[in-house]
Amino acid sequence: DADVTQTPRNRITKTGKRIMLECSQTKGHDRMYWYRQDPGLGLRLIYYSFDVKDINKGEISDGYSVSRQAQAKFSLSLESAIPNQTALYFCATSDSSLGQITGELFFGEGSRLTVL
Amino acid sequence: AQSVAQPEDQVNVAEGNPLTVKCTYSVSGNPYLFWYVQYPNRGLQFLLKYITGDNLVKGSYGFEAEFNKSQTSFHLKKPSALVSDSALYFCAVRDPGNTGKLIFGQGTTLQVKP
Repeated sequence: DADVTQTPRNRITKTGKRIMLECSQTKGHDRMYWYRQDPGLGLRLIYYSFDVKDINKGEISDGYSVSRQAQAKFSLSLESAIPNQTALYFCATSDSSLGQITGELFFGEGSRLTVL
Repeated sequence: AQSVAQPEDQVNVAEGNPLTVKCTYSVSGNPYLFWYVQYPNRGLQFLLKYITGDNLVKGSYGFEAEFNKSQTSFHLKKPSALVSDSALYFCAVRDPGNTGKLIFGQGTTLQVKP
């Protein structure tokens, strides 16, 4: 089983619908991140969380919200989806006990969202 | 602001030839640099990182990267390319604050032809 699991892997929805993307991890890491990937733009950070009570906006948080339900779970919500939110979304984790300077991120397999 | 640039959208190389995927960075302070690879329909996989020490860093799958402070570059290299190396490659730099977040380049598609 994957250490970082994202559901759903693929989703097609309509403009105005509410969508939730879920991420769960078995790595025991404290930090979790949501990134968005668009062709030619690389990955851009939406939100990140240091623990259940510490959530922070990334560079492109408008139109998104998150919930850290437990250390192992971090959900991304689109309250009213719009077509330019069509993208590939990645959840990632890191372990601050390894040192915030040296620790790499561990990624899920991605959730492909299409908004019509 | 910290940033990473990958000047090539695509790199084409013949199998068995050496490959280089370029990355330049702009950071305040010491750079902490990473390379990731993304195969089709998969998440990003960590290849290697430079934190300090030797300028030549060795990583997974025979890849290595050379840190060059004067040229602010961190190019990914492999002496002999395989068709299975064909994928999307991302260079990233760690944000200098205590967030652990990475700032990614635009990505470079590597195509290795038989």
